[in-house]
Amino acid sequence: DGGITQSPKYLFRKEGQNVTLSCEQNLNHDAMYWYRQDPGQGLRLIYYSQIVNDFQKGDIAEGYSVSREKKESFPLTVTSAQKNPTAFYLCASSMGADADTQYFGPGTRLTVL
Amino acid sequence: LAKTTQPISMDSYEGQEVNITCSHNNIATNDYITWYQQFPSQGPRFIIQGYKTKVKNEVASLFIPADRKSSTLSLPRVSLSDTAVYYCLVGDPQGGSNYQLIWGAGTKLIIKP
Repeated sequence: DGGITQSPKYLFRKEGQNVTLSCEQNLNHDAMYWYRQDPGQGLRLIYYSQIVNDFQKGDIAEGYSVSREKKESFPLTVTSAQKNPTAFYLCASSMGADADTQYFGPGTRLTVL
Repeated sequence: LAKTTQPISMDSYEGQEVNITCSHNNIATNDYITWYQQFPSQGPRFIIQGYKTKVKNEVASLFIPADRKSSTLSLPRVSLSDTAVYYCLVGDPQGGSNYQLIWGAGTKLIIKP
């Protein structure tokens, strides 16, 4: 059963702690993306990766970090430098890196207490 | 840098045809236009993609004029389950092989009985 998985679905952390969100895909897609969505708002691109061991900053990369050591995995770390980390985080993948069809995971809702 | 503009919200009634327009100035020659649907607390889901003229699938139609500076998503005979947020996405290359993906702010569509 192909698709994108994100874990956990809900995550609670104390202020000042780093936290890593998982994203795995078995679609054999080259490109992967991380988005942030705040209540009632659209999607904002955090980071994207077109190929293993390479990634690019999106519009709101400050306070976040990523790695792409494997084609299937693109974890996102929300660092303590992110001033307002509470949000809904969405991971996506696509065959290519332009406006190709993106397939989204179910999302992780992060709440910082 | 391309920008997209969509209406913030729209209302309609069951059984009606709904048209949602997205404006995207400065769309690049090789860019495609893609529309997504999102339900609360879920990842967006692909609806339709096109390059020019008209595209149709089992759930929607997409109309793109010759200048490609806008696109219109058409949902025939909507039902209550079509209540969702609809996003348009265009690719915006900024030199080389790195692309910036510009998402619209989304149109909240509410279908009434």
